[in-house]
Amino acid sequence: GDSVTQMEGPVTLSEEAFLTINCTYTATGYPSLFWYVQYPGEGLQLLLKATKADDKGSNKGFEATYRKETTSFHLEKGSVQVSDSAVYFCALRNSGGSNYKLTFGKGTLLTVNP
Amino acid sequence: DTGVSQDPRHKITKRGQNVTFRCDPISEHNRLYWYRQTLGQGPEFLTYFQNEAQLEKSRLLSDRFSAERPKGSFSTLEIQRTEQGDSAMYLCASGQGGTNTEAFFGQGTRLTVV
Repeated sequence: GDSVTQMEGPVTLSEEAFLTINCTYTATGYPSLFWYVQYPGEGLQLLLKATKADDKGSNKGFEATYRKETTSFHLEKGSVQVSDSAVYFCALRNSGGSNYKLTFGKGTLLTVNP
Repeated sequence: DTGVSQDPRHKITKRGQNVTFRCDPISEHNRLYWYRQTLGQGPEFLTYFQNEAQLEKSRLLSDRFSAERPKGSFSTLEIQRTEQGDSAMYLCASGQGGTNTEAFFGQGTRLTVV
């Protein structure tokens, strides 16, 4: 079945540091890939997405590129801020079937210190 | 606020009691999902509705769990004879359209079974 493996946390960085959170997936067919973010006390929010190979999703300075050859969708940001502290989830949605459900990784807690 | 809303936000119940949660999706969304998130894990799919029809149920959804979406609007998730292992965050999400469209999440209902 479908699965998502993402880098275990927690990750602690200083402000303005470079961020990478690794994510790899296993899926049949051609999934769409997503990064969701969960700020403290809030619900999951879509951060970015990519729907086909070599697509780059970007939002709020975060980027991730859909790499079919390595089945990866790593999240990157060049300079993190304290306000980026949150839990980040990598997810896929398979193109097969019609329910469009999401399969999530376990999440990575990011803490950014001033 | 026109996002997905869930009620209650928190529920503490004694083992063996029944609980019911409510989800109000974004009004024009025909797809509705329930997920469960336990500590340190990503959300796991429970069930999916398209309009009022429940089209898929995960094997995680034991016979103590039942979900409904009368008239294709709000949805309820009931857990009968709660067990301590049911303690989790229950998330509702809604969406509209095809595979490339976003699912919007509510803030969740945190259930604690004591």
